[in-house]
Amino acid sequence: GAVVSQHPSRVICKSGTSVKIECRSLDFQATTMFWYRQFPKQSLMLMATSNEGSKATYEQGVEKDKFLINHASLTLSTLTVTSAHPEDSSFYICSGRPGQTPYEQYFGPGTRLTVT
Amino acid sequence: GDSVTQMEGPVTLSEEAFLTINCTYTATGYPSLFWYVQYPGEGLQLLLKATKADDKGSNKGFEATYRKETTSFHLEKGSVQVSDSAVYFCALSGGGSYIPTFGRGTSLIVHP
Repeated sequence: GAVVSQHPSRVICKSGTSVKIECRSLDFQATTMFWYRQFPKQSLMLMATSNEGSKATYEQGVEKDKFLINHASLTLSTLTVTSAHPEDSSFYICSGRPGQTPYEQYFGPGTRLTVT
Repeated sequence: GDSVTQMEGPVTLSEEAFLTINCTYTATGYPSLFWYVQYPGEGLQLLLKATKADDKGSNKGFEATYRKETTSFHLEKGSVQVSDSAVYFCALSGGGSYIPTFGRGTSLIVHP
């Protein structure tokens, strides 16, 4: 199956600093990428959808100036958490959708962010 | 808008028991339906899918049938193993929107 990588897998940062998370599709071109945040008790929250070369579309309630998303190429998207606070601590997961199969998506392994 | 409802967990079973995790959906149009599995500390993996009514998706002993008349896509496995312990997400895409819609996830715990 299609493979998506995320880096780093775990990161600890101090409050007020910024953290960048990379999401790469390794063996397919992801015309669309999604960023999710997963809360305790499992539920997934879609944060934003991005298409290569376009600005990301953020879900209601997600601060676009705090969670900067860049989809620079068909294989790379980045999420930057700016001025991180402890409440931003969470598990962040990206996924990529190949253009040829418009309804399937392939997930990265996730990044555990802890803000101290 | 589109929505997916999954049974609340956790579901706790003994090894070799029969598994059913219920999933129902509401959507406009004709969505594709998916089951994803998430093992502890990992991202989601596509387990199986069905793209039209009456299709049966299957993988690793798991099965689910796309039932348009009951708007359901229940996940089943005849004999679960301890290694099946994970969180299972039902999802749809391509209904009223190309944005995928997920259920809240159902945790499965299998005891030896």
